[in-house]
Amino acid sequence: DAGVTQSPTHLIKTRGQQVTLRCSPKSGHDTVSWYQQALGQGPQFIFQYYEEEERQRGNFPDRFSGHQFPNYSSELNVNALLLGDSALYLCASSDYDRGREGYGYTFGSGTRLTVV
Amino acid sequence: GDSVTQMEGPVTLSEEAFLTINCTYTATGYPSLFWYVQYPGEGLQLLLKATKADDKGSNKGFEATYRKETTSFHLEKGSVQVSDSAVYFCALNQAGTALIFGKGTTLSVSS
Repeated sequence: DAGVTQSPTHLIKTRGQQVTLRCSPKSGHDTVSWYQQALGQGPQFIFQYYEEEERQRGNFPDRFSGHQFPNYSSELNVNALLLGDSALYLCASSDYDRGREGYGYTFGSGTRLTVV
Repeated sequence: GDSVTQMEGPVTLSEEAFLTINCTYTATGYPSLFWYVQYPGEGLQLLLKATKADDKGSNKGFEATYRKETTSFHLEKGSVQVSDSAVYFCALNQAGTALIFGKGTTLSVSS
């Protein structure tokens, strides 16, 4: 059973450019969340998608946008890149774990974005 | 808002030593609590979780107990191995919404 797949694994972009990151959720998961992890920091929540709608959003500017497709895969788009956007971007898919009465989250290996 | 505070690292131990990484949280209601581990160059792996007070999560020799009275979820392992060297994150979540993470604690185990 494939877990969460993210692409690309590494990316180098120039300041001011736009970037699109992709995520395929774990089989059976219908909810996708995106996180930004700066070097040496904990992941920060960007937004969550469920049923192709943005369900919750963290404290990130509108330059960060996303999309979820009918097959539950998702994209993260960042416009007008800044040097400070350099980070590891993590995708997590989730569902309700009925056996443990809680939500189960599975993370991908991330996309390392470097803005120069 | 909800938040997680975990002890600053790095934590440096010899193989077979006892490990404790402290984690406390601030939250309304009854969050679920998690420990994640991140190895160099990789994403996050769920280590263990607990969904209600007094639950004990355990996996691979690691344990943590959900203590509502002290709002804590400390991670422990009786005998660490070199392969346990990684960054450990404590996190909480309310009803399937955003995971809120601590800043992470780096563990380095030497043989």
